[in-house]
Amino acid sequence: AQTVTQSQPEMSVQEAETVTLSCTYDTSESNYYLFWYKQPPSRQMILVIRQEAYKQQNATENRFSVNFQKAAKSFSLKISDSQLGDTAMYFCAFDSWGKLQFGAGTQVVVTP
Amino acid sequence: EAGVVQSPRYKIIEKKQPVAFWCNPISGHNTLYWYRQNLGQGPELLIRYENEEAVDDSQLPKDRFSAERLKGVDSTLKIQPAELGDSAVYLCASSALTTATDTQYFGPGTRLTVL
Repeated sequence: AQTVTQSQPEMSVQEAETVTLSCTYDTSESNYYLFWYKQPPSRQMILVIRQEAYKQQNATENRFSVNFQKAAKSFSLKISDSQLGDTAMYFCAFDSWGKLQFGAGTQVVVTP
Repeated sequence: EAGVVQSPRYKIIEKKQPVAFWCNPISGHNTLYWYRQNLGQGPELLIRYENEEAVDDSQLPKDRFSAERLKGVDSTLKIQPAELGDSAVYLCASSALTTATDTQYFGPGTRLTVL
């Protein structure tokens, strides 16, 4: 069974600063996908970024980027130039053949 | 393009009462998922449909939960009778592909409170 671990329950960052969220996972699969989703107070789960395990290049989406270390089974998310609208719960998720496994989440609070 | 639609957004019921949630996936998405999210936790899969077939319902408490997706489009999740521990947010998601991993897009969820 796959497990996803997010060891940081909460992170606080000032506007315009950078914050990095950690995520580790455990699997015996060789082909899989990793995701970061954000969930603001509205509860809508929004896709932030996706990484295919077979790709060595780290995914980037505007101010969001990942550091994917396959051997270490690590998948961290970096939010650059943080904005107030980035305040949300961030979930790391692992997917192998259509079954998403989520971590417990990290609450990110962006302060003025 | 319209996203995943769910209704109702909120539901408050007394224990032992029945409740139903409805989901309409993104147009053209063949795979539909129901998740339950308890307070302070990540979502957990209840059931996955590929078209009208339930291909993974191993986490669905079948004594009280049921789901259907009769025409392979919208879906209903039912709880009968509801228990206090069923209070949670119920999320629906959809994805385009059925044979490989694809990005799942989520609806706004239904917050259920059982009194």
